[in-house]
Amino acid sequence: AQKVTQAQTEISVVEKEDVTLDCVYETRDTTYYLFWYKQPPSGELVFLIRRNSFDEQNEISGRYSWNFQKSTSSFNFTITASQVVDSAVYFCALSEARDSGYALNFGKGTSLLVTP
Amino acid sequence: EAQVTQNPRYLITVTGKKLTVTCSQNMNHEYMSWYRQDPGLGLRQIYYSMNVEVTDKGDVPEGYKVSRKEKRNFPLILESPSPNQTSLYFCASSFGGAVEQYFGPGTRLTVT
Repeated sequence: AQKVTQAQTEISVVEKEDVTLDCVYETRDTTYYLFWYKQPPSGELVFLIRRNSFDEQNEISGRYSWNFQKSTSSFNFTITASQVVDSAVYFCALSEARDSGYALNFGKGTSLLVTP
Repeated sequence: EAQVTQNPRYLITVTGKKLTVTCSQNMNHEYMSWYRQDPGLGLRQIYYSMNVEVTDKGDVPEGYKVSRKEKRNFPLILESPSPNQTSLYFCASSFGGAVEQYFGPGTRLTVT
């Protein structure tokens, strides 16, 4: 079963629109970690944010904000006033502890296209 | 400069010919991991390592081997590559698997 679901495969918006990328996760652990990564067209993977399961405080960083809700197992990402440079594939990921370390599960990604 | 390096960046090979993709980091990270990225499937973890001589399987370990003899290196070994292992491979490292990972630039592998 998919542990991290990003239901939106592709989103297209016009510059300056707000856009929310959804992420729903599944875990039985009480302690876990959630991440968002960005993969621009150049291909590298860039870390955006990390949240642990005990910190439900929402976070804002410039035009980016994240809404973590344990009640719905969601960790959504909103870009306000989108720009062309935001065009990328965005991945949500879940890290869970195992006996031998941490296993990471990534969602399938959401491809965001921002057009002028 | 802090970085994760992978070699080679591009590789075309034939079925059954053993190959190794190297991964090296200079940040003294304990945790290292390999992923493959395929269209429509996102990133899937192949193997991870919490420290020297400590490795474990991720979601898609079949057909791959790893070793962690030194802290800085984590090579990915394909003993007998098959066409379904054609993919984009990323190595990553971090101070533990619960914090942000630093990714290498990727290795595009084609097996014919």
